[in-house]
Amino acid sequence: QKEVEQNSGPLSVPEGAIASLNCTYSDRGSQSFFWYRQYSGKSPELIMFIYSNGDKEDGRFTAQLNKASQYVSLLIRDSQPSDSATYLCAVKDTDKLIFGTGTRLQVFP
Amino acid sequence: KAGVTQTPRYLIKTRGQQVTLSCSPISGHRSVSWYQQTPGQGLQFLFEYFSETQRNKGNFPGRFSGRQFSNSRSEMNVSTLELGDSALYLCASSSHRQGDTYNSPLHFGNGTRLTVT
Repeated sequence: QKEVEQNSGPLSVPEGAIASLNCTYSDRGSQSFFWYRQYSGKSPELIMFIYSNGDKEDGRFTAQLNKASQYVSLLIRDSQPSDSATYLCAVKDTDKLIFGTGTRLQVFP
Repeated sequence: KAGVTQTPRYLIKTRGQQVTLSCSPISGHRSVSWYQQTPGQGLQFLFEYFSETQRNKGNFPGRFSGRQFSNSRSEMNVSTLELGDSALYLCASSSHRQGDTYNSPLHFGNGTRLTVT
């Protein structure tokens, strides 16, 4: 059974700080990785995806992938209270995504 | 471009009944996936359809079924409802083509919240 693990949190950071969210996965052959954000009562929305080792930046978000260590992380720079949500890590497995249970992020003013 | 549309948004059913949920994907997307989300289990994969064919199925009982129509719209059916079926059911579409391993992320609809009493 392929698994994706995330710390459930909550992760509390002050406004303006860097929030670091981590995810590990069990299948060494996994190729594609996704980060979704889900506000309470809403559906998940895609933040970014990554499939090459290293960093990928998009605005205030940076995804980092280390296939040798089987982890993927999401950094949020200059965190804002509006970033408070649950962040879901997902790994592609043939025609489906396997999701972690998510990390709840709280950004306080 | 319109997003993924799910209907209805909310449903209340009693045990033993059956329910049908509907999903219209983003225009041009031919892959439709269904997920169940509960507080305890997170997002669990139900099944995925592409060009009216079920390509993948999750570990759910046969009471859960689905289909996809020629216009890519999809329906999901749950028969003989149980209390444990209460969840948010999410539909997602992607432009995924066979052999497209890397990209084609899922785009989710707003979900149908099903309550079984």
